[in-house]
Amino acid sequence: KQEVTQIPAALSVPEGENLVLNCSFTDSAIYNLQWFRQDPGKGLTSLLLIQSSQREQTSGRLNASLDKSSGRSTLYIAASQPGDSATYLCAVRDVGGTSYGKLTFGQGTILTVHP
Amino acid sequence: GAGVSQSPRYKVAKRGQDVALRCDPISGHVSLFWYQQALGQGPEFLTYFQNEAQLDKSGLPSDRFFAERPEGSVSTLKIQRTQQEDSAVYLCASSPLAGGPTGELFFGEGSRLTVL
Repeated sequence: KQEVTQIPAALSVPEGENLVLNCSFTDSAIYNLQWFRQDPGKGLTSLLLIQSSQREQTSGRLNASLDKSSGRSTLYIAASQPGDSATYLCAVRDVGGTSYGKLTFGQGTILTVHP
Repeated sequence: GAGVSQSPRYKVAKRGQDVALRCDPISGHVSLFWYQQALGQGPEFLTYFQNEAQLDKSGLPSDRFFAERPEGSVSTLKIQRTQQEDSAVYLCASSPLAGGPTGELFFGEGSRLTVL
């Protein structure tokens, strides 16, 4: 059974810092990995999607990497801003014996960026 | 519609009541997922539909939970005889056929259920 772990559980940084969020997964048979952002009381907003054949994806100040063989992904946020404060969730869409790819989530990292 | 729409956004139920949560996926999206998110946790898989076919219901926690998608579009998650442990946010996600299992999932804002 796929298990996804995110470290750290919470992170508080001053505005302007660069930061890294970590995600690890136990089964490397995945279709893709997706990073989401969740604001309090809201749904999930997709940030970046990395296919299993890719090594990284970039969008603005965000960069996500994937090392499928070691079961790891990182989300790098450059020049953090208070508006980046949210919970960040990592999810893998794994093969797991299905044809459709079930999404398995980590527990998230709560990020606080203070002015 | 422009995105995945869920209703109601908030539902308070007394223990033992039945509830129904609705998901309206992005038009044309073939795949539809339901997830349950307890407070402070990541979402947990409940069930998956491909068009009107429920291909996987392995995540439904008990036989009190039932989901349907009769016409391959709107889906309803029904919880019978609600219990306090059912309190959670229920998230719906859809994905287009073209993406297959490598496609991106699009989530709604969720329905927050509180059972008193």
